[in-house]
Amino acid sequence: DAGVIQSPRHEVTEMGQEVTLRCKPISGHDYLFWYRQTMMRGLELLIYFNNNVPIDDSGMPEDRFSAKMPNASFSTLKIQPSEPRDSAVYFCASSLVRAGESGEYNEQFFGPGTRLTVL
Amino acid sequence: AQSVTQPDIHITVSEGASLELRCNYSYGATPYLFWYVQSPGQGLQLLLKYFSGDTLVQGIKGFEAEFKRSQSSFNLRKPSVHWSDAAEYFCAASNYGGSQGNLIFGKGTKLSVKP
Repeated sequence: DAGVIQSPRHEVTEMGQEVTLRCKPISGHDYLFWYRQTMMRGLELLIYFNNNVPIDDSGMPEDRFSAKMPNASFSTLKIQPSEPRDSAVYFCASSLVRAGESGEYNEQFFGPGTRLTVL
Repeated sequence: AQSVTQPDIHITVSEGASLELRCNYSYGATPYLFWYVQSPGQGLQLLLKYFSGDTLVQGIKGFEAEFKRSQSSFNLRKPSVHWSDAAEYFCAASNYGGSQGNLIFGKGTKLSVKP
């Protein structure tokens, strides 16, 4: 099975440009998460979707960030306009709710990340 | 506020030595707990998870973790470290059963292995 696929793997852009990051979750997974990883702040959850619907976007840093999930197999994270402080590694993860002994649980599978550099 | 703390930013151990990485959580109730590993340039891979029951859980790659409610800890251990274990390790917690499932991560512990 292919895991979570992210593209591009690396992106270098200039300040003010629009950046679009893409994610293909694992087939059959009904949750999709976008994270940002920086040295200063570690791993931060930006937004997550359930069945293509955004559930919690409280981690999105500001209006320059937007995310969409038009269908179960594709999501985008867009930054417009980009700024140098947006430089980070952006991870997408997907998960499926599973039934465990003590109830349901969620196991997230991560993509390889997109390393974004904004000059 | 809910939080996960990994007190050690960087640990160096010799190959073949034992390893323990610390993780403490602060939640209103016992959360679901996870350990992930991130190799350089890679995404995060789940090592093991704890939901309930036996407080010692086994994971992949020879790792285990012990949940201690009294200490609000979930420390990761390995009896004998291999050079390939050099990576960054993240402890994470979720206080939702599954219908939400978002995770709060610790800042990570970077493990270096000396030959």
